[in-house]
Amino acid sequence: DTGVSQDPRHKITKRGQNVTFRCDPISEHNRLYWYRQTLGQGPEFLTYFQNEAQLEKSRLLSDRFSAERPKGSFSTLEIQRTEQGDSAMYLCASSLGAGELFFGEGSRLTVL
Amino acid sequence: AQSVSQHNHHVILSEAASLELGCNYSYGGTVNLFWYVQYPGQHLQLLLKYFSGDPLVKGIKGFEAEFIKSKFSFNLRKPSVQWSDTAEYFCAVNLATDSWGKLQFGAGTQVVVTP
Repeated sequence: DTGVSQDPRHKITKRGQNVTFRCDPISEHNRLYWYRQTLGQGPEFLTYFQNEAQLEKSRLLSDRFSAERPKGSFSTLEIQRTEQGDSAMYLCASSLGAGELFFGEGSRLTVL
Repeated sequence: AQSVSQHNHHVILSEAASLELGCNYSYGGTVNLFWYVQYPGQHLQLLLKYFSGDPLVKGIKGFEAEFIKSKFSFNLRKPSVQWSDTAEYFCAVNLATDSWGKLQFGAGTQVVVTP
């Protein structure tokens, strides 16, 4: 499969624990995006990278959230000291410049 | 607050019926408009997009959408649905002043097509 892949697909954690999600974009895509989707809502933009540079962060991305794309390829999204309100589907997408966004299947986080 | 509104949360219809899903946005400037579809258990996929030009755009799988600037609307249509069109449909807006890829999504419409 040459699409966007995300890992893990599901994560259950206890409140206060840290979690990390990984996204592998389509190989030649230089832009990578993170979105969050809660039940009954559409995806909400969190942040995006162009190559390794994080160019924009939403105010939704509190200081407990950090995203990296160290070599301009895969990206990680870490949530520290998780809260129940962090329970959501975390979506990754990638694009080649201002081209079509291709989404992954998401990583579902459940915080108990 | 600026937003994207989808009129129906759930739609149930029979095969061969026509489908129209409403989408309105509240942004006043230039926008790029999209419809995405998410089939059960799958990722979001682009159905169609509008940037400029002919306000009637055609997408994949027989879908089309019409941009009506005066109504801030971008409604999705399909003349005759199939069971395989059962999915969740999302309208999305990218403001021309925003970064490419920074999309504002509506809450989605779950469409169920019965045989």
